[in-house]
Amino acid sequence: DAGITQSPRYKITETGRQVTLMCHQTWSHSYMFWYRQDLGHGLRLIYYSAAADITDKGEVPDGYVVSRSKTENFPLTLESATRSQTSVYFCASGGGQTNGYTFGSGTRLTVV
Amino acid sequence: AQSVTQPDIHITVSEGASLELRCNYSYGATPYLFWYVQSPGQGLQLLLKYFSGDTLVQGIKGFEAEFKRSQSSFNLRKPSVHWSDAAEYFCAVGSWDGNKLVFGAGTILRVKS
Repeated sequence: DAGITQSPRYKITETGRQVTLMCHQTWSHSYMFWYRQDLGHGLRLIYYSAAADITDKGEVPDGYVVSRSKTENFPLTLESATRSQTSVYFCASGGGQTNGYTFGSGTRLTVV
Repeated sequence: AQSVTQPDIHITVSEGASLELRCNYSYGATPYLFWYVQSPGQGLQLLLKYFSGDTLVQGIKGFEAEFKRSQSSFNLRKPSVHWSDAAEYFCAVGSWDGNKLVFGAGTILRVKS
């Protein structure tokens, strides 16, 4: 189906484990983003990508790793999960900001 | 770097009443401005955007917003609120030299019957 999909929708993991959140879009959009949403903070940018093999840090990149070997996929990896990374994570994609960006449905991650 | 302030964390309005959600931005040049809406458990949906031209922009679901450069504001308005408008609303600003958006903390809208 066309669109932007995130998986899993819900994830519980233990402190210190590695976990990867997946994001897939079918539009061949150039730009892709990862945000985290926390109460009182709105959405904060973790990493973004302007094209395949081009990534850059956002506002809160520490503890996260991204890759973009294919245009349609933009996985986010927490190398060693911490409780402070408990959050809702949103992926977004778009052709450029003049058109706005489309968001996925989010992944709710709990680190215990 | 750009930033966004949404002064109101919560707003409650009666169904049928008018609505205005405030948004102030900080950016040195003409910004790209957006309003998104998020229903519970959902992702964000784009309501409207501004990057040039007419300062009053129309969006989906009967919303509009007005860009006021002198006040660094981009307030969202709706003349008559429906119960289905209850959600969280986010203002966001982008920059001409980048393509990433910075979001405000959000305003939760409650609609009472």
